[in-house]
Amino acid sequence: KAGVTQTPRYLIKTRGQQVTLSCSPISGHRSVSWYQQTPGQGLQFLFEYFSETQRNKGNFPGRFSGRQFSNSRSEMNVSTLELGDSALYLCASSSGLAGRETRYFGPGTRLLVL
Amino acid sequence: AQTVTQSQPEMSVQEAETVTLSCTYDTSENNYYLFWYKQPPSRQMILVIRQEAYKQQNATENRFSVNFQKAAKSFSLKISDSQLGDTAMYFCAFMKWDGNKLVFGAGTILRVKS
Repeated sequence: KAGVTQTPRYLIKTRGQQVTLSCSPISGHRSVSWYQQTPGQGLQFLFEYFSETQRNKGNFPGRFSGRQFSNSRSEMNVSTLELGDSALYLCASSSGLAGRETRYFGPGTRLLVL
Repeated sequence: AQTVTQSQPEMSVQEAETVTLSCTYDTSENNYYLFWYKQPPSRQMILVIRQEAYKQQNATENRFSVNFQKAAKSFSLKISDSQLGDTAMYFCAFMKWDGNKLVFGAGTILRVKS
């Protein structure tokens, strides 16, 4: 099976712009989670989608949003970018049916905000 | 809220030797999952090992094993016969039994020296 794919892999934006990141889960997986990784804050949970519904949301401002499509692909959007949004954004997929399931991570999208 | 603490920011080990990475966590939950993830320089997050809290037996995966002490809320990772390819950042993570989000520790950078 193909792994989790994330596009784009690298992105440079300027403050105030918006950005959309995409994650395609492993075939058959219905859950996609998003995490932000920064040197200062470490890995933090953004949100999780299952069958097009947001099941859980982390403690991030409303500028961070996401959605999931019927084919389980997910996008996250960050509006009005700030310098502090520079990070590696990771998505993880699983079948979503049981907590113990392995979550498979994608290679990440590295976002740099100038 | 759950917290995960990794008190060793960096560690190094000689090739073929054994190293133990420490992790403690705080939770009021009785049932939960604990994980060790590895993030090599490629940034691809890879699951190393998983432990279910209700299982008293420590999990093992080839050269990787854990020492799970539920009462002490401790979950250490032992890597035997260390290999150069084990060089990576290692993250300890917690998830509630019925949860869908991972809570990560700050990570430990492990360098394996030849």
